[in-house]
Amino acid sequence: GQNIDQPTEMTATEGAIVQINCTYQTSGFNGLFWYQQHAGEAPTFLSYNVLDGLEEKGRFSSFLSRSKGYSYLLLKELQMKDSASYLCAVSPPNSGYALNFGKGTSLLVTP
Amino acid sequence: KAGVTQTPRYLIKTRGQQVTLSCSPISGHRSVSWYQQTPGQGLQFLFEYFSETQRNKGNFPGRFSGRQFSNSRSEMNVSTLELGDSALYLCASSLSPTSSIPNEQFFGPGTRLTVL
Repeated sequence: GQNIDQPTEMTATEGAIVQINCTYQTSGFNGLFWYQQHAGEAPTFLSYNVLDGLEEKGRFSSFLSRSKGYSYLLLKELQMKDSASYLCAVSPPNSGYALNFGKGTSLLVTP
Repeated sequence: KAGVTQTPRYLIKTRGQQVTLSCSPISGHRSVSWYQQTPGQGLQFLFEYFSETQRNKGNFPGRFSGRQFSNSRSEMNVSTLELGDSALYLCASSLSPTSSIPNEQFFGPGTRLTVL
């Protein structure tokens, strides 16, 4: 199965950098996703890692280490609008396009 | 291009009733997945349909069922509703021929179901 752990809540200051960690236990692996979800809205895609290393996309970067079952999402130059829930999700093997999600990390950006 | 649409957006039912939710995927997407989201459990996978066939199923009781039509639209049904079924039900579509990440999920706005 896929137990996915991430911190429940984090707080950071506007303009700062924050790192949200995600660990997973897996009997197989087919890629890791990060999604952002604002309150009352649908999750939206942020990043995808299937190989080890760092993927950079503007202010957001995501890192993956398959051997350690570990990923992180790095948010730079935080803005107030980054206050949201960040969801880590793993694509299990032989599961079609289904994703297993962690419970999400609620990030609060303060002035 | 229109996104994923779900109807209705809000629904109130009583225990024991049944409910049907509808999802229209992005044009050209053939896979539709359903998720239940609650504050305590987060997003939990219900099932996935591809070309009218259920390809995967999560760990939910048989009261939860679904289907997909030839135009890729999907419905999910919950029978004999329980209080614990109150949740946001999200539909997601995927598999765009032009996507570099075929299993990227595009979510609809969800249906908020309240069971009284």
